[in-house]
Amino acid sequence: AAGVIQSPRHLIKEKRETATLKCYPIPRHDTVYWYQQGPGQDPQFLISFYEKMQSDKGSIPDRFSAQQFSDYHSELNMSSLELGDSALYFCASSLYARQATEAFFGQGTRLTVV
Amino acid sequence: SQQGEEDPQALSIQEGENATMNCSYKTSINNLQWYRQNSGRGLVHLILIRSNEREKHSGRLRVTLDTSKKSSSLLITASRAADTASYFCATDAPGGGNKLTFGTGTQLKVEL
Repeated sequence: AAGVIQSPRHLIKEKRETATLKCYPIPRHDTVYWYQQGPGQDPQFLISFYEKMQSDKGSIPDRFSAQQFSDYHSELNMSSLELGDSALYFCASSLYARQATEAFFGQGTRLTVV
Repeated sequence: SQQGEEDPQALSIQEGENATMNCSYKTSINNLQWYRQNSGRGLVHLILIRSNEREKHSGRLRVTLDTSKKSSSLLITASRAADTASYFCATDAPGGGNKLTFGTGTQLKVEL
């Protein structure tokens, strides 16, 4: 079965640079979530989209922005990168239901800011 | 503060033994999900238990949910070395748009 695809898998950027992470959800899933996981930390919710509209916002810095496109893929744009942005960035997708359903995660993008 | 806290933070057992991990949360929930993560890898969905369920099984996994105590447990029976990973519980709250709040995770090591 198709899973959530994230690209790139690894990314190295310098401070103050910009990074774009991409996420392709499971086909027919209408909701995408972005999470950030620092070293030794639990994943922290950043932002989510339902049917291409932002549905919820967590602890996402103002330097970050995201959107979901007409084909349901999503991109997380990160500007003015800081060393503390080094983390694993996960995308997850689900099929929205009032009672909620399982969220399936991609393999993540490991961002290293040097 | 974290919605979910897990204990133990680390657990080391021998292959064939059972492993039990606990998760506590603070607010009301729609569902609770358990995930596994191998070091630096993606999160693998294990099982979802709804707030009106008390117990759920999937293969060697058994999950319980006690909403009165705001806690859940994950039992892995007959553990294998391949079960070595970090295990996270994650909850979503009513009206929370299905976003997940993760616990701090339990690092399980299964030794041969």
